Amino acid sequence: NAGVMQNPRHLVRRRGQEARLRCSPMKGHSHVYWYRQLPEEGLKFMVYLQKENIIDESGMPKERFSAEFPKEGPSILRIQQVVRGDSAAYFCASSPPSAQGHEQFFGPGTRLTVL
Amino acid sequence: GESVGLHLPTLSVQEGDNSIINCAYSNSASDYFIWYKQESGKGPQFIIDIRSNMDKRQGQRVTVLLNKTVKHLSLQIAATQPGDSAVYFCAEKGLVFGKGTRLSVIA
Repeated sequence: NAGVMQNPRHLVRRRGQEARLRCSPMKGHSHVYWYRQLPEEGLKFMVYLQKENIIDESGMPKERFSAEFPKEGPSILRIQQVVRGDSAAYFCASSPPSAQGHEQFFGPGTRLTVL
Repeated sequence: GESVGLHLPTLSVQEGDNSIINCAYSNSASDYFIWYKQESGKGPQFIIDIRSNMDKRQGQRVTVLLNKTVKHLSLQIAATQPGDSAVYFCAEKGLVFGKGTRLSVIA
């Protein structure tokens, strides 16, 4: 049973470009969470999604950031017109339907570097 | 607002000693807490959880204590091993993470 998968593991973008981060949850998991982690910092919640629905996006910046979890395929975190301050590790986690925000299984993360 | 914080950013312990990592929270309505371990370059891993109707929960070499009166929880690791070296986070309902405590085990 594969764990949570994220790709790419490392992503380099120039200022103004778009970054797309993908997350495939564990099999049978229908809840996905995205977090951002700056160096030597804790994880900051960004968004919580279920299939085709955004449940909680209270941690998502209002501009340039968007997330989706379509019926088919991985969850996507999209950052438009990236700036240097977007450089961070972005972690995705998933949980089964019964957990609802409790124990989460994390992916290895995508490390975004903005030049 | 809600916040979950950690008292110490770093902790160094001798191999074989017990480790105690502390965490404070501010939302008295919180009813579920999780401790995660994050090794360098990896995502967090679940260690142990506790619900607010409990004061203590034990796992394999780990114990979590919850003091609802002062809104404080701690993670105790018995007989700390080099493999325990990591950053430890407490989380409230899994969605709020403290800054983390880096545990370094001295051989």
